Amino acid sequence: EVQLVESGGGLVQPGGSLRLSCVASGFTFSSYWMSWVRQAPGKGLEWVASIKQDGSEKHYVDSVKGRFTISRDNAQNSLYLQMNSLRAEDTAVYYCATSVDTAMGRWFDPWGQGTLVTVSS
Amino acid sequence: EIVLTQSPGTLSLSPGERATLSCRASQSVSSTYLDWYQQKPGQAPRLLIYGASNRAAGFPDRFSGSGSGTDFTLTISRLEPEDFAVYYCQQYGSSPLTFGGGTRVEIK
Repeated sequence: EVQLVESGGGLVQPGGSLRLSCVASGFTFSSYWMSWVRQAPGKGLEWVASIKQDGSEKHYVDSVKGRFTISRDNAQNSLYLQMNSLRAEDTAVYYCATSVDTAMGRWFDPWGQGTLVTVSS
Repeated sequence: EIVLTQSPGTLSLSPGERATLSCRASQSVSSTYLDWYQQKPGQAPRLLIYGASNRAAGFPDRFSGSGSGTDFTLTISRLEPEDFAVYYCQQYGSSPLTFGGGTRVEIK
């Protein structure tokens, strides 16, 4: 069964740091770009960051550049998001998602169940 | 940045009715890179349509996608109880990739 399982969310004070993890199973993790997408409470979806199969290319939404770092460990089938200098507006459920890129198009599938990050004093 | 505007924000319909959801882009999007997702309360989004008109595995043929350029449509031909959810469009062809604000399909 293809599965992504996130962990590492929690309550953190403004200015603090948190590291999210996502463990993949059921597919060849090292063959896919991977991404983080977040959803603030009651709001829509926002792409956060993506990383290439070998980690050599990374992309970020402007609002997290310089604060968040995406990384991966293909030997451990794991994706990470290091979040520093956290702000209240970073409060969201963070989803790990597989980025599929084919001649038919590009899409996110599957998604993990999400991990909640709350930034509050 | 390509802005995707979904309308209506909420669609109130009865089971058996037809739902038509719109996604309008601020600039042209290749249909190859326009996707739709379904999200139910407390769940992660799930890929529904990729490449504007290709149905993902597990979804019945009452779901269909169409459109090109700046105007895309998701149609649910006859709503079933399990179809009441929020639907998001997404473009993945231009950086940054962006999502629409979503359309909630609720039971009337």
